[in-house]
Amino acid sequence: GAGVSQSPSNKVTEKGKDVELRCDPISGHTALYWYRQSLGQGLEFLIYFQGNSAPDKSGLPSDRFSAERTGGSVSTLTIQRTQQEDSAVYLCASSLNGGGQETQYFGPGTRLLVL
Amino acid sequence: DQQVKQNSPSLSVQEGRISILNCDYTNSMFDYFLWYKKYPAEGPTFLISISSIKDKNEDGRFTVFLNKSAKHLSLHIVPSQPGDSAVYFCAQEGTGGTSYGKLTFGQGTILTVHP
Repeated sequence: GAGVSQSPSNKVTEKGKDVELRCDPISGHTALYWYRQSLGQGLEFLIYFQGNSAPDKSGLPSDRFSAERTGGSVSTLTIQRTQQEDSAVYLCASSLNGGGQETQYFGPGTRLLVL
Repeated sequence: DQQVKQNSPSLSVQEGRISILNCDYTNSMFDYFLWYKKYPAEGPTFLISISSIKDKNEDGRFTVFLNKSAKHLSLHIVPSQPGDSAVYFCAQEGTGGTSYGKLTFGQGTILTVHP
């Protein structure tokens, strides 16, 4: 079956512009996670959606970052007024139920470069 | 502050030998630990995990050891193969409270296995 897909694979934008990153999770997975990996850093948790529950936004670095998940499937991460420090690889993952000790399956990521 | 640390940014090993990747953590509240493997331009893929009630878990050539008193995790690959060359991330998951389902990653170790 299809894995987690993300688009675009690469995005170059100018400082101050808004960007939208898309994630299509594995069909049937109720939990969806966004992480980012900045240069030389590990993956940093951003936001977590689980079913119809309110998302856990505790990892979002500023109010310029927001995410939504429509119909319990596709998710969009939006970064407003991008800054150079937003340059990173943004990774999406999904898991079946979002419970503990459950494998998270990652997409290939979107490489964002803010000039 | 980095809760999960991989102090070796890179490791080079001869094919057939053992690869040992190390990871230290600070928060004893986490009770589930994982290793992910990442090839260039791909998302991380799950490799092996261990619960804090165990001190060893083995899957084929891969064994993870957990030393709770030292807050130390290690991954052993034996025998190492050139196809194992990748970036390896250790991660820990909280299974209670606000940490439920969220992964905290180390910075990664680049493993190169020479033929």
